[in-house]
Amino acid sequence: GAGVSQSPRYKVAKRGQDVALRCDPISGHVSLFWYQQALGQGPEFLTYFQNEAQLDKSGLPSDRFFAERPEGSVSTLKIQRTQQEDSAVYLCASSFRRPPHRETQYFGPGTRLLVL
Amino acid sequence: AQRVTQPEKLLSVFKGAPVELKCNYSYSGSPELFWYVQYSRQRLQLLLRHISRESIKGFTADLNKGETSFHLKKPFAQEEDSAMYYCALSGLPGGGNKLTFGTGTQLKVEL
Repeated sequence: GAGVSQSPRYKVAKRGQDVALRCDPISGHVSLFWYQQALGQGPEFLTYFQNEAQLDKSGLPSDRFFAERPEGSVSTLKIQRTQQEDSAVYLCASSFRRPPHRETQYFGPGTRLLVL
Repeated sequence: AQRVTQPEKLLSVFKGAPVELKCNYSYSGSPELFWYVQYSRQRLQLLLRHISRESIKGFTADLNKGETSFHLKKPFAQEEDSAMYYCALSGLPGGGNKLTFGTGTQLKVEL
């Protein structure tokens, strides 16, 4: 079946512009994660959804970052008033079951954001 | 706090040579450890996890709680093993199974 998909794959934004990044998880997956990967670094956790509930947003770097998953499937990560330090690859991952099951996370291809 | 350390940014070996990618972690509870791999122009994918005790593509990794290590090993490197490797840790379920990654090691297998 289809894996996790993300769109757009590439986004160039001017500083101060708002952007929205979309994630389509694998159908039926309960858990959805967003990660940020800066150049030369490993992915860093941003936020976690269990169905439509955002249970952990401890990794969001500022209040300019906002994520939602209103119907428990597709998720959107929104960044307001983008800054140059927001330039990174944004990864989405999903897994089938909820905790305490420690399931494999399946990653999307990522959205590469460049803020000029 | 949970932390994963991969001390080598780049590891270059010859084809047929043994490979060991180092990973150390810090976590006060009972973590689960993973190795993820990213081949050129492909997405991040799971290579192996410590609880499954599997050997995938000839790679193995043993969790050493005394040394807090989870090194990835392969006895004979192949050209197709060239990729970026990330060690990752998942803590208690209360954390939603979020992964903490190391900075990654680029493995280059030379002919």
